[in-house]
Amino acid sequence: AQKVTQAQTEISVVEKEDVTLDCVYETRDTTYYLFWYKQPPSGELVFLIRRNSFDEQNEISGRYSWNFQKSTSSFNFTITASQVVDSAVYFCALRGIYNQGGKLIFGQGTELSVKP
Amino acid sequence: DAGVIQSPRHEVTEMGQEVTLRCKPISGHDYLFWYRQTMMRGLELLIYFNNNVPIDDSGMPEDRFSAKMPNASFSTLKIQPSEPRDSAVYFCASSLLQRETQYFGPGTRLLVL
Repeated sequence: AQKVTQAQTEISVVEKEDVTLDCVYETRDTTYYLFWYKQPPSGELVFLIRRNSFDEQNEISGRYSWNFQKSTSSFNFTITASQVVDSAVYFCALRGIYNQGGKLIFGQGTELSVKP
Repeated sequence: DAGVIQSPRHEVTEMGQEVTLRCKPISGHDYLFWYRQTMMRGLELLIYFNNNVPIDDSGMPEDRFSAKMPNASFSTLKIQPSEPRDSAVYFCASSLLQRETQYFGPGTRLLVL
């Protein structure tokens, strides 16, 4: 079975603080993809990043960075110097290649609130 | 480039009525997915199509739900008859290949009274 766990339901920080959103996954697939999506208050789902299981390099995009560790089955997301506009619900998702037809399995989401 | 387009953005209807949600995927994408988001169940896949053919509809909750994709640029999700527990946000997403990133539409917020 495939599963994504985002243990942090809600996080509240003050602007300019760094914040890390945790994501732990389970899969029997040897080839799989991991994703992060952002859902701002307006409701749409915005794609942030995709990572395949063969690439464990960390990635940085501006204030965003991602730490993928296969040894701990984690794909954590860090926002540096958070801003009010970062307030949103963030979803981690997993997509296996062979099991379950490649369905995208979402975690329950972490609601981030950045206060001025 | 236009993203995934969904209509209507909001729908309010009464129990028992038929509801039709519409989706236009990104041009050239050959996978289309319908998801439902609720507070209780989070984001769940209802059905997905490949080249207009339904591949997996195991997530469709009941026979009251049906989905079609008559051509590569249009899909519908129909609920007949609707019930209050169908109230949710329904998202459509598309991707170029099965392993590629899914891009989501803005969603349709459905309220069944």
